[in-house]
Amino acid sequence: EPEVTQTPSHQVTQMGQEVILRCVPISNHLYFYWYRQILGQKVEFLVSFYNNEISEKSEIFDDQFSVERPDGSNFTLKIRSTKLEDSAMYFCASSEIVLANYEQYFGPGTRLTVT
Amino acid sequence: GNSVTQMEGPVTLSEEAFLTINCTYTATGYPSLFWYVQYPGEGLQLLLKATKADDKGSNKGFEATYRKETTSFHLEKGSVQVSDSAVYFCALSDTNTGNQFYFGTGTSLTVIP
Repeated sequence: EPEVTQTPSHQVTQMGQEVILRCVPISNHLYFYWYRQILGQKVEFLVSFYNNEISEKSEIFDDQFSVERPDGSNFTLKIRSTKLEDSAMYFCASSEIVLANYEQYFGPGTRLTVT
Repeated sequence: GNSVTQMEGPVTLSEEAFLTINCTYTATGYPSLFWYVQYPGEGLQLLLKATKADDKGSNKGFEATYRKETTSFHLEKGSVQVSDSAVYFCALSDTNTGNQFYFGTGTSLTVIP
């Protein structure tokens, strides 16, 4: 069964450093998403991406964040200058279509630890 | 706005016990409701969904009924197994707010033999 994959599974970085989290969505999907979950808190929406541009973003997704689809398979989330509060589990998701009743497929997550 | 409130864990049950994980929601439009499950080391997988009031979603012995009058979508299973040990997430998507999902905090379930 096709699945969303994410690398790395765990990333440790120092405050102020740039990180890139990578995702490979399901191949025939057109819509891509990033979510994050700070330990003990809710899974929060960050951004959605379609047709090579951002379609929605939350207030969390400020100028420190960017997303890119550099080739036909990868979807990346970049954090330019990490802060301690960026420590969280980051989930990538994809969907074939966008309808309120249609599921999104999630990857296993990347645990980001900022020290 | 939209939000999901989920029963806090962790929950520990003996095998064959009855499971209920509570989930309530607020929504501005006409939400669809989902339960996702995350097994260790894996992604969130869709467990079941319901797209309108009074719909019942079911899968692998789990059930949840979309109750508009109580704004709830509680997850139930009559007899849990050790293999059901996982984290369970309640979520909604709303016709009025585009394509983002709103999640609860997740409930960790451990089933002991």
